[in-house]
Amino acid sequence: EAGVTQSPTHLIKTRGQQVTLRCSPISGHTSVYWYQQALGLGLQFLLWYDEGEERNRGNFPPRFSGRQFPNYSSELNVNALELEDSALYLCASSPGGADTQYFGPGTRLTVL
Amino acid sequence: GEDVEQSLFLSVREGDSSVINCTYTDSSSTYLYWYKQEPGAGLQLLTYIFSNMDMKQDQRLTVLLNKKDKHLSLRIADTQTGDSAIYFCAETGNQFYFGTGTSLTVIP
Repeated sequence: EAGVTQSPTHLIKTRGQQVTLRCSPISGHTSVYWYQQALGLGLQFLLWYDEGEERNRGNFPPRFSGRQFPNYSSELNVNALELEDSALYLCASSPGGADTQYFGPGTRLTVL
Repeated sequence: GEDVEQSLFLSVREGDSSVINCTYTDSSSTYLYWYKQEPGAGLQLLTYIFSNMDMKQDQRLTVLLNKKDKHLSLRIADTQTGDSAIYFCAETGNQFYFGTGTSLTVIP
């Protein structure tokens, strides 16, 4: 069974640009979570989607947004990129809300 | 429930036991987890414990939960060089909180 997949693996953008990251959950999982892991910091919770709806949101500005599609895959969009947005963005999925989360390999975003 | 704390670094000799500690604050957490992150990789689920359990053993891993003190620990027996990684504890109750991670270095 395939695990959580994320694309792209690496991304380089400049300040002010916009970026879209993608995540495909494990088959049968309806919940998708997004986390930001900046260098030297722990995981910061960004967003939780379940059954196509945003269920919870971490303490991030509105320029961080996303959506979940009918096939449960998800996108994370970041507008007006800032240097401090450089981080590893991790996606996780679970069978339902508040269940065990399984992580993808992450997308490394570098903002220059 | 936002502060899940871990010590940042731990260094042990190969073959010794490692104990990684974590304190959490959300008493409504139903599950507590340990994840492992190797360099450049995502998080790998190691084990988890229900909040109504005190201990869980899984091969070389032993998880201890002191719910009164909101303290969680992960003991790795016979630590190997392949265990070198960052270990995160996490709680999932009403929110999802991860600790800052403990970087474990195993010295051959």
